[in-house]
Amino acid sequence: AQKITQTQPGMFVQEKEAVTLDCTYDTSDQSYGLFWYKQPSSGEMIFLIYQGSYDEQNATEGRYSLNFQKARKSANLVISASQLGDSAMYFCAMREGTGTASKLTFGTGTRLQVTL
Amino acid sequence: NAGVTQTPKFRILKIGQSMTLQCAQDMNHNYMYWYRQDPGMGLKLIYYSVGAGITDKGEVPNGYNVSRSTTEDFPLRLELAAPSQTSVYFCASSWRGRAKNIQYFGAGTRLSVL
Repeated sequence: AQKITQTQPGMFVQEKEAVTLDCTYDTSDQSYGLFWYKQPSSGEMIFLIYQGSYDEQNATEGRYSLNFQKARKSANLVISASQLGDSAMYFCAMREGTGTASKLTFGTGTRLQVTL
Repeated sequence: NAGVTQTPKFRILKIGQSMTLQCAQDMNHNYMYWYRQDPGMGLKLIYYSVGAGITDKGEVPNGYNVSRSTTEDFPLRLELAAPSQTSVYFCASSWRGRAKNIQYFGAGTRLSVL
């Protein structure tokens, strides 16, 4: 079974609108972390936002927020007021447990295109 | 701040050749990682290190070797390049001791094996 599932290969959103990128995860650990990364066409991986499994409030970082629904095992990324510069690939990732190494498992990504 | 630096940015290898992908970080992070990203896919972990002298296999280690003699450097070695190793390689580092343990990535090395 996939540990991280991103079901939207591609999304379009108009500039200044909000968009939600879906991510569901599968783990039996009680302690885990969820991350979103942005990969623009230049190729680098940019950290956006983090949600810990014990965090009671949804994480927010500027225009990014994470809609964390633990019972549903979903961690959707919400981008408000989209900008042309938001056009990129977006990856959801999970870190399981509290072991000695914080290995990440990535989803296959969602390509977001922001239009005028 | 340099962060995580990877060299080279691009490389073309012939089948059977060897090369080392370099990775250096200046954030005094204890953890370092190597990932590969195949077209249209997410990243897969090749090897990781929790400190100097300590390395371990990730999900896709076959065909690669690593070493970590210093905190700063974590080179990835390809001994006998194969077309299946055509990919984009990312190095990352993080600091254990902070709850989030965010991984910060280098700009990547695009490798083609022909």
